[in-house]
Amino acid sequence: EADIYQTPRYLVIGTGKKITLECSQTMGHDKMYWYQQDPGMELHLIHYSYGVNSTEKGDLSSESTVSRIRTEHFPLTLESARPSHTSQYLCASSEPTTGQETQYFGPGTRLLVL
Amino acid sequence: GQNIDQPTEMTATEGAIVQINCTYQTSGFNGLFWYQQHAGEAPTFLSYNVLDGLEEKGRFSSFLSRSKGYSYLLLKELQMKDSASYLCAVRDNVYGQNFVFGPGTRLSVLP
Repeated sequence: EADIYQTPRYLVIGTGKKITLECSQTMGHDKMYWYQQDPGMELHLIHYSYGVNSTEKGDLSSESTVSRIRTEHFPLTLESARPSHTSQYLCASSEPTTGQETQYFGPGTRLLVL
Repeated sequence: GQNIDQPTEMTATEGAIVQINCTYQTSGFNGLFWYQQHAGEAPTFLSYNVLDGLEEKGRFSSFLSRSKGYSYLLLKELQMKDSASYLCAVRDNVYGQNFVFGPGTRLSVLP
């Protein structure tokens, strides 16, 4: 059973607002990821982190930023939300030291920007 | 470049067997993963292959051929609850050991 949490689960917000999507995991995993997924579409990696103080951009250009001050916490921030940011955001973590290194996903945050 | 292909949709009957294919072209290869994703939910891990051959786990089996860039997920004794999207993902050791996901195959199991 994976222990990775995301809040809020659902968010409706107006254009121009600043928002932070929270992600926490209690498994002690070093590697964490943020994906964006539109309904019925594939996952796109927008940010990832190898560990504390490490953040990298993924393959999908995103106006969001991330931080990794603690191992268990990997928040994603949108400084000024726009309707084009409407999507589902999935956080995941994995432990690279194991051979299998499967990803564990959080429940996701569904964001609607009006 | 990186490209993963899967059929968009498949339909099967309860109790039947279905095979979902996945072909991939990635910069590097360090494992192939299958995930199940029910509508509106997060993906959950199903299987992992890093060597050629078949991995069996209950009603689910996954096969890999690295030389052909090909994998399949086999689901036996289909149940209604197996209706979901099935995602093929490759861990790319050239691409920062990150996962490249396919578009997913939406499987509908009919009574």
